[in-house]
Amino acid sequence: EDQVTQSPEALRLQEGESSSLNCSYTVSGLRGLFWYRQDPGKGPEFLFTLYSAGEEKEKERLKATLTKKESFLHITAPKPEDSATYLCAVQASNTGKLIFGQGTTLQVKP
Amino acid sequence: DAGITQSPRHKVTETGTPVTLRCHQTENHRYMYWYRQDPGHGLRLIHYSYGVKDTDKGEVSDGYSVSRSKTEDFLLTLESATSSQTSVYFCAISIQGTTEAFFGQGTRLTVV
Repeated sequence: EDQVTQSPEALRLQEGESSSLNCSYTVSGLRGLFWYRQDPGKGPEFLFTLYSAGEEKEKERLKATLTKKESFLHITAPKPEDSATYLCAVQASNTGKLIFGQGTTLQVKP
Repeated sequence: DAGITQSPRHKVTETGTPVTLRCHQTENHRYMYWYRQDPGHGLRLIHYSYGVKDTDKGEVSDGYSVSRSKTEDFLLTLESATSSQTSVYFCAISIQGTTEAFFGQGTRLTVV
């Protein structure tokens, strides 16, 4: 069964304290892995797509990496405005459907 | 925002009544999706469409139907709403089935 597990469920950081969020997945053929950011009361906002192991993408303080079993979202020197829920999703080759993890809620304190 | 409008944004309805949610896009994307988001379950796919009049079921399709008569509109209908369908519903669009999806702002539906 295709599955996505994100950890931790919640993360509290001080401003400037770097950390990583984890997305572990099992899927019968990975077509793509997606990271989204979601603010309260809003729809998910697309961040990155990763297609193959070893691939990396960066955007401001965020960097996403991919292995054959998991992806990491590294947050370098976070700011309070980085506080949000971060969602990971995988797309399976056989079904083409997006399967989401339950997200990691990040709080960055000034 | 990626040119996606969901309506209504909030709705309270009674058990047993029919409800239709609308998703309108201005991007001319081929793929459109309906998800629901619930605490403890994350985002779950209800139905999706890969073209006009072409739709398929997702993982939680029971109790829902969809229609797509125009590229820009994707309708989600709850034929007879139940309390278990209280949720936040998101529409999403993508250019192809293999590319990233862009989400609307959501519709908060409460069934009492």
